[in-house]
Amino acid sequence: SQTIHQWPATLVQPVGSPLSLECTVEGTSNPNLYWYRQAAGRGLQLLFYSVGIGQISSEVPQNLSASRPQDRQFILSSKKLLLSDSGFYLCAFTPEYNEQFFGPGTRLTVL
Amino acid sequence: GESVGLHLPTLSVQEGDNSIINCAYSNSASDYFIWYKQESGKGPQFIIDIRSNMDKRQGQRVTVLLNKTVKHLSLQIAATQPGDSAVYFCAEKADRDDKIIFGKGTRLHILP
Repeated sequence: SQTIHQWPATLVQPVGSPLSLECTVEGTSNPNLYWYRQAAGRGLQLLFYSVGIGQISSEVPQNLSASRPQDRQFILSSKKLLLSDSGFYLCAFTPEYNEQFFGPGTRLTVL
Repeated sequence: GESVGLHLPTLSVQEGDNSIINCAYSNSASDYFIWYKQESGKGPQFIIDIRSNMDKRQGQRVTVLLNKTVKHLSLQIAATQPGDSAVYFCAEKADRDDKIIFGKGTRLHILP
């Protein structure tokens, strides 16, 4: 069966520190992968998506970057976190068809 | 997008009544539509989907209606239960696109 994992589940980081959030998918090959951010009580903002290894599309200019070193691995990074980077980060994938599956999310608090 | 920065509208429904959550979509080329349910602190979960060649699809206690003429999508939940309390998002996608476009979401609040 297809599953998606994200870690860590929660993270508290100081301003200016680096960030690395990881997402892995199982049970599918060559999925499209997505990173979203959600502020409290708000909608979903698409940050990055990838249609293949090494292929990254950025949706909004920001302090973050994404990488896809392997087919089923998607990483969200930052060299120096800002307060405004706080939020709930969701990874998602689309397997063969259109439906999109979401991971459990990472709650990031930047202090 | 625009919807990201807006606070979510709230729909309050008496327990046991039917809920109807509405969504207006933007792209006339969209041919696949999904409803998601997001509980507090969790990722969105798939509820039901519908393709543009249909105008109605039923699941367990849920029905999705699609009106392509006015670009409107609705989710009906029968006999609303406390466990239905969540934020509901509609989403649209065109087959040729890699991205799913999410609506702004509606918070469903169940009254005892």
